[in-house]
Amino acid sequence: AQSVTQPDIHITVSEGASLELRCNYSYGATPYLFWYVQSPGQGLQLLLKYFSGDTLVQGIKGFEAEFKRSQSSFNLRKPSVHWSDAAEYFCAVVPSGTYKYIFGTGTRLKVLA
Amino acid sequence: EAGVAQSPRYKIIEKRQSVAFWCNPISGHATLYWYQQILGQGPKLLIQFQNNGVVDDSQLPKDRFSAERLKGVDSTLKIQPAKLEDSAVYLCASSLVGARNQAYEQYFGPGTRLTVT
Repeated sequence: AQSVTQPDIHITVSEGASLELRCNYSYGATPYLFWYVQSPGQGLQLLLKYFSGDTLVQGIKGFEAEFKRSQSSFNLRKPSVHWSDAAEYFCAVVPSGTYKYIFGTGTRLKVLA
Repeated sequence: EAGVAQSPRYKIIEKRQSVAFWCNPISGHATLYWYQQILGQGPKLLIQFQNNGVVDDSQLPKDRFSAERLKGVDSTLKIQPAKLEDSAVYLCASSLVGARNQAYEQYFGPGTRLTVT
């Protein structure tokens, strides 16, 4: 079945530590891939996107993500986390031939001072 | 550039009552989406409009939910009658049409948090 999986429901890191949030998808063809962040009481903000080409994409707020076709993954990374990065992060895919977003269940990030 | 506007931000109603949410998309965005986000889950698409026409409403519970976008700009989502399981955040998003990759980028409003008691 087609799906988007974010295996980590909660992640806690110390401020200044590196971060990797996992996202795996299950679709026949390579979909378009997105990461969004949602702060408490806010809507979703686009961090970065992948359509094609270079598999390492840069986004806002110092985030990057790497598309790995062989692993059907699109993991989000940040070298040094700031306290303001505490939020919920959603991976989303748009299956080929559609404009429809399919979201993962999200990963809630907690940052320790 | 103004973002996607939604109102109200919060609403508490009793089950079997009705409720309506309003959304005004980013100016020039022809595509408008309504999502339901239940606590602990990712947003789920309810309905997609392009201008004032429905593109996808396959996941809209049509026995109680309805949505309209009469003039192709702002939109209203209604629930009548509400059930306890409708408690969620209702997100509106919009996107461009035509410019190839830009059409895939959705911009979200702050959402309306609905509590049904």
